[in-house]
Amino acid sequence: NAGVMQNPRHLVRRRGQEARLRCSPMKGHSHVYWYRQLPEEGLKFMVYLQKENIIDESGMPKERFSAEFPKEGPSILRIQQVVRGDSAAYFCASSPQGANRGYTFGSGTRLTVV
Amino acid sequence: GESVGLHLPTLSVQEGDNSIINCAYSNSASDYFIWYKQESGKGPQFIIDIRSNMDKRQGQRVTVLLNKTVKHLSLQIAATQPGDSAVYFCAELRLSGGYNKLIFGAGTRLAVHP
Repeated sequence: NAGVMQNPRHLVRRRGQEARLRCSPMKGHSHVYWYRQLPEEGLKFMVYLQKENIIDESGMPKERFSAEFPKEGPSILRIQQVVRGDSAAYFCASSPQGANRGYTFGSGTRLTVV
Repeated sequence: GESVGLHLPTLSVQEGDNSIINCAYSNSASDYFIWYKQESGKGPQFIIDIRSNMDKRQGQRVTVLLNKTVKHLSLQIAATQPGDSAVYFCAELRLSGGYNKLIFGAGTRLAVHP
């Protein structure tokens, strides 16, 4: 059981470029969550997806950010026209139906915007 | 507003001593409270959880205490080891929008000295 897999581990983008972060949930998990963590801060909820559906995107910025979890393949968090303030660690987590014991997290993607 | 927060941002202990990490919460409706450990460069790792109808739960070297009267949660680590050095987050699993949403506090850094 490979756990939650995120790639890339590190991503450097220039201001104005696009960033694509990928997440493959644990085997048997159909629910995916994305969190953002700024340095020395806690994790902030961004979005919750099930296959082909966005369930809760209340933590997503209204502009430039989007997420998807297609029928086939990993979940993608996409940030268009990145700015320096987007620099952070982005964590993906997954859970089975119900998630009444918390989520399992990946190792994160560290995005640096230069 | 509703939040999960911590009393102490940094805790330094001697190897072999017991550690106590505290957390305050404001939402009484949460069903589960969870402690996560985050080592440098890694994602949060589940340590132990406690259901809201319990006062105490013990694991291997760790104990979680829940005081619902004062809305306080603590994590006790017995015989702290250098490998326990990490940032510890309390989190609550709260029913929101029809699903269990995981909401994190700000974190406490535990530094274990030999």
